[in-house]
Order: sequence, then C-alpha cells, then structure tokens
Amino acid sequence: DVKVTQSSRYLVKRTGEKVFLECVQDMDHENMFWYRQDPGLGLRLIYFSYDVKMKEKGDIPEGYSVSREKKERFSLILESASTNQTSMYLCASINDPGTGDALHFGNGTRLTVT
Amino acid sequence: GDSVTQMEGPVTLSEEACLTINCTYTATGYPSLFWYVQYPGEGLQLLLKATKADDKGSNKGFEATYRKETTSFHLEKGSVQVSDSAVYFCALLAGGYQKVTFGTGTKLQVIP
Repeated sequence: DVKVTQSSRYLVKRTGEKVFLECVQDMDHENMFWYRQDPGLGLRLIYFSYDVKMKEKGDIPEGYSVSREKKERFSLILESASTNQTSMYLCASINDPGTGDALHFGNGTRLTVT
Repeated sequence: GDSVTQMEGPVTLSEEACLTINCTYTATGYPSLFWYVQYPGEGLQLLLKATKADDKGSNKGFEATYRKETTSFHLEKGSVQVSDSAVYFCALLAGGYQKVTFGTGTKLQVIP
C-alpha cells in the first residue's frame, strides 16, 4: 500500500512566521500535490509537481511556495503566515494520472495561524 | 474549466436507510470519475472509481455509474451503517492532465 506521510498533524504558528509543511511518499510516484481543505469549499489545489525540481501552480498559489528536491519529498512553504492561511492541508501523490489512477492522501496537517 | 457539483449536506440518515448523494460534472474530453471518503481525523481515501461511460464502480456496498448523457456519477448504497458516517467527495480527472477537480464534499451522519 502507498503511504503518504505528513510530518505534523497539528501546527500552531504566529502571523509572519515562515512555515514548512513536509510530505513524504514511499511508492516512487512522479506526481505530488498540495491541497487545502476548508468547510464549504472542498479541496483546492495549491501547487503540484510532476518531477523533481519541477512545479506548477494550482488554483490558489498566492502566499505559498513549494520545494521538490527529492522524488519522495514535497514541501509546502508559507513565506509569511497569515491568519487566512489557517486551514487543513492535505498532501497527495499519484502514479500515472493518464490511466485513471487515484490520488493517495496523507492524513493532513491542521495549521492554525494566530 | 472542469467542475464538479455535489449535493450539499449534511445528510442525516437512520441506520439501514438508503443513500443517494448526487454528483454532476462538466469537463472537456472523457474524464475519469471518483468518489473519495474522509473519515473523521483522516485524509481522503478512494472509495470507488469509473474510467469510461457506463462503467459502474463499487466498493463496501457503495455503487456509482458513469452516465455520460447526464454527466452524472451519483453515489448510492442500499443500507447505510453508523460506520459510514464520513464526508464524501466526488472528483474528476480530465484525460491526460494531472489535476484532479473535487466537489465541495457531502457530510453523511448515520444515526443508530
């Protein structure tokens, strides 16, 4: 079974802090994603990566950046956290989207910015 | 662009009742369609999928049929259990693209 591991379940940070959310997958998947989940809005794509050192903006990239230095690891960075970034963050990976493969998700990181 | 519309919740049902959660989509080409489930405190996990028109996905007693003519993928279960209480997300993956588009989720609560 694919395992996607997010390093923290809960984080509390102060406004203006730089925040790192880490995600590791163990199945050699090419594609990795960061979503945020908010009530009534579902999941919204922040960034995704289809290869090492490659990244693409999703639907809501403002205020975020990402890093993919190794295939198994995909980091989400909040350069200067703000209260409107309080949310649940979900990392996911997928093997081959073209064949209808499904996303594999981590358990999420609930971030609170005060 | 691609979009998924699913019925708003929460949906509250008694144990052994029938469940239908409606999902319709708009997409270019021929997308793959998915239902994901999120149990409390967990990430999303795949419940079932269908990759072409008229396919039926099924798992754990849940079913959904890919209806191209009505652009729908409604989730059904004949007899729900308390353990089915979760949030259900309909999603699509447009052919050849990496992006998955999700609906807003429907919370299901099953009471004994």
